[in-house]
Order: sequence, then C-alpha cells, then structure tokens
Amino acid sequence: DAGVIQSPRHEVTEMGQEVTLRCKPISGHDYLFWYRQTMMRGLELLIYFNNNVPIDDSGMPEDRFSAKMPNASFSTLKIQPSEPRDSAVYFCASRRDRDEQFFGPGTRLTVL
Amino acid sequence: AQSVTQPDIHITVSEGASLELRCNYSYGATPYLFWYVQSPGQGLQLLLKYFSGDTLVQGIKGFEAEFKRSQSSFNLRKPSVHWSDAAEYFCAVVREKLTFGTGTRLTIIP
Repeated sequence: DAGVIQSPRHEVTEMGQEVTLRCKPISGHDYLFWYRQTMMRGLELLIYFNNNVPIDDSGMPEDRFSAKMPNASFSTLKIQPSEPRDSAVYFCASRRDRDEQFFGPGTRLTVL
Repeated sequence: AQSVTQPDIHITVSEGASLELRCNYSYGATPYLFWYVQSPGQGLQLLLKYFSGDTLVQGIKGFEAEFKRSQSSFNLRKPSVHWSDAAEYFCAVVREKLTFGTGTRLTIIP
C-alpha cells in the first residue's frame, strides 16, 4: 500500500479564497483523522471519522472549516474563506481499530 | 478522560550518550500506548507501540520503551543516540481517538 496520500503537498493562497485539502486513507482502515500542526499550538485534532461518519468535530476551529468523507477512500478538509491564521501543516491519518495510526506527509498551507 | 503528559519540552544530549524521554498517561483501562517521531518537515512515524504482554517493547532505530502500570509511565529509551535522532518525539494513548502529548524536542550535540 502507498500509505496515506495527501494532496496538495503545498498550497499558497490569498486570504478569502477557498482551500480544499484531500486525503486518501490506507485501504481497509476504518478511522480517518485530520490534524493541524503549528509552532504555537502544536498538533491539534480537528475531526475524525469512523466508517465514513464524523464522530468528533469539536476540534474544528470555526464554521469556516468543514470536512467530508463521501466514501472509505477519500476525505476532504475545506476552509472557506481562508485567513492568514489558518497557515499550518495539515495532516491526515488513518488506522484500523485501535492499531497503529499512519500519517500522511502533510499539506503545508500558507494563507497570505 | 485519557491524557498524556510529556514533562520535558526540550532535551539536549551529546551524540553517543544515552537517552530517556518521559511519558505519563492517564487512562481508565489498559492503555494502548505509542511513541511517534517527527523529523523536521516530515510527518509522524511510529517508533513503537504497546498493547499488552511484555512490558518492555522494542521499536525501530534502536529505541525501546517500558510500560510501568504502577507509575502510569511509558518512557522511551535509547542507549546511544545518533545525530540523526534529533527530532520531535510524541507519546500517545488511544481509546477511540489518539491523544498525543505535547512532544519533546530532542537536540543532539556533537
């Protein structure tokens, strides 16, 4: 398996624009997680899904953020409108049951 | 609620010296415990995990960790560090979601 795949790897956009981050989890994994990492706040869990159903979105900063998982092999994290304070590295991760969680390489987002 | 504490934010050791990174957890049942490493600009990679059984677990890159239920600890050790071990290390516990500690940044000096 290729591991968790994220795209794009880097994204630079202007304030107010819509940003969509994509994630393909490892096949057979039933959990998918979205994290955000910044120097100031460290690694934060934004939302996670179990069997494509959002379970806990309490980490989503505000209504500008939304996440979907239309099927077992694809998830998106959308920010609309984006703001400079959203600049961070966004990680997607997946796992099966309570086993090892595999992380994608991350998307580095810069909002100007 | 589950939680993980890494009391050391930053540790500096000399190359070749031994290393111990501390991790304490709070969890109501038998925990599933993990150590992850993140090199600069990279994602997180699993070093080792503990589910049950032998309390001393071996991981990749020469790391090991010991689960001590009486102390609620899962400390990471390495007998001799290499300059390439410089990274951020995260301890984590999972129930449904994975709860991370705040991380320990390891600096290696020649």
